[in-house]
Amino acid sequence: DSGVTQTPKHLITATGQRVTLRCSPRSGDLSVYWYQQSLDQGLQFLIQYYNGEERAKGNILERFSAQQFPDLHSELNLSSLELGDSALYFCASSVVGLPYNEQFFGPGTRLTVL
Amino acid sequence: AQSVTQLDSQVPVFEEAPVELRCNYSSSVSVYLFWYVQYPNQGLQLLLKYLSGSTLVKGINGFEAEFNKSQTSFHLRKPSVHISDTAEYFCAVSPADAGGTSYGKLTFGQGTILTVHP
Repeated sequence: DSGVTQTPKHLITATGQRVTLRCSPRSGDLSVYWYQQSLDQGLQFLIQYYNGEERAKGNILERFSAQQFPDLHSELNLSSLELGDSALYFCASSVVGLPYNEQFFGPGTRLTVL
Repeated sequence: AQSVTQLDSQVPVFEEAPVELRCNYSSSVSVYLFWYVQYPNQGLQLLLKYLSGSTLVKGINGFEAEFNKSQTSFHLRKPSVHISDTAEYFCAVSPADAGGTSYGKLTFGQGTILTVHP
């Protein structure tokens, strides 16, 4: 158990819908990362937050948005869902978000878009 | 920008045999290097990392990796594998500069599925 929690574990929804994925980092960690894992794209970095502020951005679609709240939990919002958005979404956390800090991964949320 | 190539998508091996999982990277800046393992239906767990210093890095579960700057490689090895090592292994890099827009971002390879047979 990494100490990072993600809810829900599974999510099944339809095209065009909007969903919210939630992540609670390890106690004491200030930085949160979101990654998408799909069969065709592999593991891709989406976005990083540090203490409530956006720190780095990857290939995150405009239909996707995220935020980190004052209690340090984070939410990833996916809207106007398409079939291709079906993937495993991982949240990770690290102490202060420096490049050499170990990232601890949650168990992931499996999103299925029908 | 960084890219990571894992040269083998699948590696089958018998129990107690040695194994090497190959990883090459490309980057215009210095990088930190990582190996993560993903067991079925679980998140990723760090096996080991190279930040600086000795190019031979030892990690958990008996794994080690060697950083070769001239060949831009970071191959993962284990002298004797167990059934429980069956998993997917990911090589990843992170830019070593503390600033810039890719701060803290991990770039992963496509993964290598290691299957250990009895």
